[in-house]
Amino acid sequence: GAVVSQHPSRVICKSGTSVKIECRSLDFQATTMFWYRQFPKQSLMLMATSNEGSKATYEQGVEKDKFLINHASLTLSTLTVTSAHPEDSSFYICSAIDRPIYNEQFFGPGTRLTVL
Amino acid sequence: SQQGEEDPQALSIQEGENATMNCSYKTSINNLQWYRQNSGRGLVHLILIRSNEREKHSGRLRVTLDTSKKSSSLLITASRAADTASYFCATDANDMRFGAGTRLTVKP
Repeated sequence: GAVVSQHPSRVICKSGTSVKIECRSLDFQATTMFWYRQFPKQSLMLMATSNEGSKATYEQGVEKDKFLINHASLTLSTLTVTSAHPEDSSFYICSAIDRPIYNEQFFGPGTRLTVL
Repeated sequence: SQQGEEDPQALSIQEGENATMNCSYKTSINNLQWYRQNSGRGLVHLILIRSNEREKHSGRLRVTLDTSKKSSSLLITASRAADTASYFCATDANDMRFGAGTRLTVKP
């Protein structure tokens, strides 16, 4: 099946720094990518929908200036957590849809962010 | 908003028993997918059922879909301790949204 990668898989940073997470579709073109976050013992929460070449659509309650999403190509979307704080520590997961293959969604392995 | 909602929230069974989880959704769909998530790991896609299908099998998994009731069920037969995980359903309505998941514990 199709593969989606995320980099890095784990990152630890100091409070106040910015962290960029990359999501790549390796063998297909993803017109749409999604970003999720998951707090411990909680369900995945959709943060934003990212369409190639256009601005991301953020879910209610998600700060777009805090979580910058760029989907500059059909195989790459990036999520930048700006001025990270400890409460931003979470598991971030991206997924991608390859529209020609009947809307099946493929997930990345996730990035665990820890902000000290 | 959440599109898929799993029921029950938690399920604990003995190894060898069958586990049934249900999912309900709200709008018209093209397909519905089930995923599993081991603690701290990424989601793993289990099975996809299209809106024109009523039942689908994959190994010990059986998924049913009732579009008239907007519901789906996931049956895991002859469960194993390794099946312990959270199970999510997600629907496709131009995007994929997850429910809270069912946390399955299979006791050896």
